[in-house]
Amino acid sequence: QVQLVESGGGVVQPGTSLRLSCAASGFTFSTYGLIWVRQAPGKGLEWVAVISYDGSDKYYADSVKGRFTISRDNSKNTLYLQMNSLRGEDTAVYYCARVYSSTSRVDYWGQGTLVTVPS
Amino acid sequence: QTVVTQEPSLTVSPGGTVTLTCASSTGAVTSGYYPNWFQQKPGQAPRPLIYSTSNRHSWTPARFSGSLLGGKAALTLSGVRPEDEAEYYCLLYYGGAYVFGTGTKVTVL
Repeated sequence: QVQLVESGGGVVQPGTSLRLSCAASGFTFSTYGLIWVRQAPGKGLEWVAVISYDGSDKYYADSVKGRFTISRDNSKNTLYLQMNSLRGEDTAVYYCARVYSSTSRVDYWGQGTLVTVPS
Repeated sequence: QTVVTQEPSLTVSPGGTVTLTCASSTGAVTSGYYPNWFQQKPGQAPRPLIYSTSNRHSWTPARFSGSLLGGKAALTLSGVRPEDEAEYYCLLYYGGAYVFGTGTKVTVL
């Protein structure tokens, strides 16, 4: 069955960096796009970034552009989110999800990993 | 900055019908925005319900339906059950980027 498992969250100081991972299984990883979504405590969902199936196309929310980098390793079935210059407003649960690019169908999600940046 | 607006809250009686909408600050929502809808309960990851305006996932009950209504994306819940009480989010595609709606809290009373 399709599984997405995020890891790498934790408590980090403002201005520092953190890399999140999303390990995928149960499907042909290299044929799907992937997105990162975050949710601050008590707030709504916020789309963060998307990457195409082969990593050639990447898009970011304005709130993270220039600070976060999405990437993938299709040989390891793993998605990454490199987060630099972290701020208090980046505190959130970060989810990865699968997207079928031709229809923008977002289907399977991970359970999320919590990133806390004390402000 | 693009804003996607949903009703903050709606209340429906068990067995009733309720329609949630999703509006874009850029203008009318069309099928080219590939609207997705998600349900989220406290402490859980979002659960996908609808993609590409009106397509249900294999696990989505038939009482959930998606459409375009008056320039907005819409999610209709028919024959509402107590377990449908949750937060609902739409997601629109903007030619590469995505934007989530502000969310609608549905209360079943």
